[in-house]
Amino acid sequence: DSGVTQTPKHLITATGQRVTLRCSPRSGDLSVYWYQQSLDQGLQFLIQYYNGEERAKGNILERFSAQQFPDLHSELNLSSLELGDSALYFCASSFRPGGYEQFFGPGTRLTVL
Amino acid sequence: SQQGEEDPQALSIQEGENATMNCSYKTSINNLQWYRQNSGRGLVHLILIRSNEREKHSGRLRVTLDTSKKSSSLLITASRAADTASYFCATDEGGSRLTFGEGTQLTVNP
Repeated sequence: DSGVTQTPKHLITATGQRVTLRCSPRSGDLSVYWYQQSLDQGLQFLIQYYNGEERAKGNILERFSAQQFPDLHSELNLSSLELGDSALYFCASSFRPGGYEQFFGPGTRLTVL
Repeated sequence: SQQGEEDPQALSIQEGENATMNCSYKTSINNLQWYRQNSGRGLVHLILIRSNEREKHSGRLRVTLDTSKKSSSLLITASRAADTASYFCATDEGGSRLTFGEGTQLTVNP
């Protein structure tokens, strides 16, 4: 158990819908990262937050957004869902950005029908 | 984009044998991290090696890093059936985002 929690574990929804994925980092970690894992793209970095502020953006679609709250938990919002958004979404956390281990949560498996 | 490339893509060995996986990358890095993923589940952090380190050990794991060749290797000694998983290398170029390779699927046969 990495100490990073993610909810829900599974999510099945329809095209065009909007969903919210939630992540709680390990106790003491200030930085949160979101990654997407799909069969065709592999593991891709989406976005990073540090102490409530957006720090870096990767291949995140405009239909996706995220935020980190004062209690350091983070949410990833996916809207206007398409079939191709079906994937495993991971949250990871680290003490700080810059050279620290990133510990991953169990992931949320999103299926868009 | 994939920074790291693991080699081989798949590896099948018998219990008790050693398993070696290689990772190559393209740009300068701050550190390189190895992860294990059991089928469709979460990523388990194995080891982090910094750019100024050449070798690191953790239990049955040994990781080497050659920054001049932009490559790293993960050695698992005395493998067990429970080591069956996908293994990924991930590079941190200093911005903290990790860039993952495509992984090596290791199968350890009892």
